[in-house]
Amino acid sequence: GNSVTQMEGPVTLSEEAFLTINCTYTATGYPSLFWYVQYPGEGLQLLLKATKADDKGSNKGFEATYRKETTSFHLEKGSVQVSDSAVYFCALSVRGQVSNFGNEKLTFGTGTRLTIIP
Amino acid sequence: DGGITQSPKYLFRKEGQNVTLSCEQNLNHDAMYWYRQDPGQGLRLIYYSQIVNDFQKGDIAEGYSVSREKKESFPLTVTSAQKNPTAFYLCASSISGFENYGYTFGSGTRLTVV
Repeated sequence: GNSVTQMEGPVTLSEEAFLTINCTYTATGYPSLFWYVQYPGEGLQLLLKATKADDKGSNKGFEATYRKETTSFHLEKGSVQVSDSAVYFCALSVRGQVSNFGNEKLTFGTGTRLTIIP
Repeated sequence: DGGITQSPKYLFRKEGQNVTLSCEQNLNHDAMYWYRQDPGQGLRLIYYSQIVNDFQKGDIAEGYSVSREKKESFPLTVTSAQKNPTAFYLCASSISGFENYGYTFGSGTRLTVV
């Protein structure tokens, strides 16, 4: 089956520090990979995605590269801000594993809580 | 603006009662999903629906029921058979097609049993 493993949190960093949140996956087939962010009391927002090997997703200064050889999709940011404090979820879906409608189930990691201190 | 609306934001239920959580989307998305979020456990899929009048059980469907009579609406009922219903519930939707765009989420409903 499909699964996603994220580094356990919580992660606490000082403002302007470099961020890495590790994510590895197991999938039957060729998955699309996603990072979602959840701010306190809110739903999840799509942060970035990559749909094939070697693709790099980027948004709001965050980046992640789809590494097929290491089955990884680590999230990075060069200089974090207090406003980046949130819970980050790595997720995957594999086309065709649910139906031909084109809507695949997302499999989520357990989330990593990030706190940035001024 | 298009999006997903979940209501209410907070809900309190007495033991033995059924409650219904609302989820409405105006994105013209075909598929809709319900997830449950508990601290330290990430998201778990309760039910999903890919087209109107059809839905499938997810990983933790026991004690829950859904309906999909309209494309825009996917309400979730938490029944008295659900032994531990206190959680944060998230509704999501997605578009059909070759490209996988991921999900759009609502802002959630926090259910507490009192």
